[in-house]
Amino acid sequence: SQTIHQWPATLVQPVGSPLSLECTVEGTSNPNLYWYRQAAGRGLQLLFYSVGIGQISSEVPQNLSASRPQDRQFILSSKKLLLSDSGFYLCAWSVWRQGAGETQYFGPGTRLLVL
Amino acid sequence: RKEVEQDPGPFNVPEGATVAFNCTYSNSASQSFFWYRQDCRKEPKLLMSVYSSGNEDGRFTAQLNRASQYISLLIRDSKLSDSATYLCVVNRVDSNYQLIWGAGTKLIIKP
Repeated sequence: SQTIHQWPATLVQPVGSPLSLECTVEGTSNPNLYWYRQAAGRGLQLLFYSVGIGQISSEVPQNLSASRPQDRQFILSSKKLLLSDSGFYLCAWSVWRQGAGETQYFGPGTRLLVL
Repeated sequence: RKEVEQDPGPFNVPEGATVAFNCTYSNSASQSFFWYRQDCRKEPKLLMSVYSSGNEDGRFTAQLNRASQYISLLIRDSKLSDSATYLCVVNRVDSNYQLIWGAGTKLIIKP
């Protein structure tokens, strides 16, 4: 079965510091991968998605970037964090299911607080 | 108009009752529909996909009304463990991979 890992679970960072969040998927090959952010009490905002190694699509212009150095690894980075980067960061992978469409499954998330 | 709209709630419901949520979507060309459940401070988890003919999974029933552009979720015999936020999700028509997420409806089941 497929599993998705994210770390760290919680992170407190000062404004202006760099960020690196990692996500890995097991039990599947060539997955579509996604980074979302969820602000408190809000819906999910898609930040990046990737359909293959080195292929990154950005949805929202911001000071974040993403990379996919390996098939099952997806990394979210920032050179300088802003207060507004605080939130719950979720990594997801997806699979096409007949009748249902592209179905997404989430990792446990990283809660980031920028102070 | 938001692409996917849900009543934020909270819905306060006694244990054992039946509760229904609706979610409206704006693009009539949407093809994929889902309900996810999100517990406090946890990741969303797929509850069920919503098929054109409607589908049932135990106490949960999902329906799609294309004419009125809404999907619904019915929970029968509600349990305390059903307390969560329920997210309505619709595919983004101009992309094979992207989904549009509602902000969620909060459900609180009271003993």
